[in-house]
Amino acid sequence: SAVISQKPSRDICQRGTSLTIQCQVDSQVTMMFWYRQQPGQSLTLIATANQGSEATYESGFVIDKFPISRPNLTFSTLTVSNMSPEDSSIYLCSVQQGKGYTFGSGTRLTVV
Amino acid sequence: AQRVTQPEKLLSVFKGAPVELKCNYSYSGSPELFWYVQYSRQRLQLLLRHISRESIKGFTADLNKGETSFHLKKPFAQEEDSAMYYCALKDSGNTPLVFGKGTRLSVIA
Repeated sequence: SAVISQKPSRDICQRGTSLTIQCQVDSQVTMMFWYRQQPGQSLTLIATANQGSEATYESGFVIDKFPISRPNLTFSTLTVSNMSPEDSSIYLCSVQQGKGYTFGSGTRLTVV
Repeated sequence: AQRVTQPEKLLSVFKGAPVELKCNYSYSGSPELFWYVQYSRQRLQLLLRHISRESIKGFTADLNKGETSFHLKKPFAQEEDSAMYYCALKDSGNTPLVFGKGTRLSVIA
């Protein structure tokens, strides 16, 4: 199965700033998915990133707040913009390969 | 709309006791169902999927379309089974997983 390298693993950021999270996959994949896991909650899909086109965002998530790049079939970034304490969460990327899904190790973001 | 329900937030059992983690889903078509596990300080990983009808680490899950359930079972719990378990569903094709809220399993020695 695919191996995903996600970084940073954690960060503490000031409110009003932005953080870019990177995911590198060791093989080419069509779709990459970005999730958020708020404290004590399940995983919520933020957006689906397809190479060569704009990401598709789920209800409640907008491109201005969570811009996504997908420059090639092995890499994607998610930016959390103009952060507030409510953005404190774990952010994960995921890819589908075959019949299964692989997840990055997550980025634990704390906004102070 | 797709929905996955895991009614128990926390489940505590004694070592050697049977375990059943409940999962119900809402979906109009023929979904694919998965169980994912997250051990402490580790990333989310696939435990099993209904298509393969396999047993992993002693866990099994049978898809019951009549009851729209995909409960996870193990006859004898081990301490190393303590983890967070997520039931998930997907549509056909290149679509993302929809997760339940998760159940934390605690196996007591």
